Amino acid sequence: EAQVTQNPRYLITVTGKKLTVTCSQNMNHEYMSWYRQDPGLGLRQIYYSMNVEVTDKGDVPEGYKVSRKEKRNFPLILESPSPNQTSLYFCASRPFEPGLSGNTIYFGEGSWLTVV
Amino acid sequence: AQTVTQSQPEMSVQEAETVTLSCTYDTSESDYYLFWYKQPPSRQMILVIRQEAYKQQNATENRFSVNFQKAAKSFSLKISDSQLGDAAMYFCAYRSPNTGTASKLTFGTGTRLQVTL
Repeated sequence: EAQVTQNPRYLITVTGKKLTVTCSQNMNHEYMSWYRQDPGLGLRQIYYSMNVEVTDKGDVPEGYKVSRKEKRNFPLILESPSPNQTSLYFCASRPFEPGLSGNTIYFGEGSWLTVV
Repeated sequence: AQTVTQSQPEMSVQEAETVTLSCTYDTSESDYYLFWYKQPPSRQMILVIRQEAYKQQNATENRFSVNFQKAAKSFSLKISDSQLGDAAMYFCAYRSPNTGTASKLTFGTGTRLQVTL
């Protein structure tokens, strides 16, 4: 079954304690990205990756890091989490197609993160 | 930069009735994609329908259809014969065909739809 898997799904952590949210897709997709969802703001892109070792900032990258060492994995790293990073996080992926392409973006089930 | 506006924070519809959710967007691009996503209480993001800007015909998926007005930059979602399972948050989203942005979706702030008996 085609899927994007995120872990953990729920996490409560303390300010300053480094954490990693993992994301893995089994569809051999080139593109992967992270979004955060906050009330009244919709979803906003944090970081994205066009392929292995190719990553770039999205709209709200402050306080986050990512890596793409393998095609299937795209972890989100919070080096020193703060309460304003309390949010619902989504990982997403899609395949690359040259030219105009509207193929579907696949979302993970989301990870609830609370920083106290 | 593109923006997406959903001006209705909440909507309500009776079961079996029809409801229309509004979405407007701002872009200088001529080719792009528009989407409606449904987010039920489980928070899963479910693609409802999508529209390619170069297609004049409005997309339809069963009880869901869109009214795409390219000149007006409007993309509304019509849900016919509403069901209790349609109750959810609905997000309108825009995607540029520019692969350099890695398929970034620009989302609106969402419309929460209630379905009543």
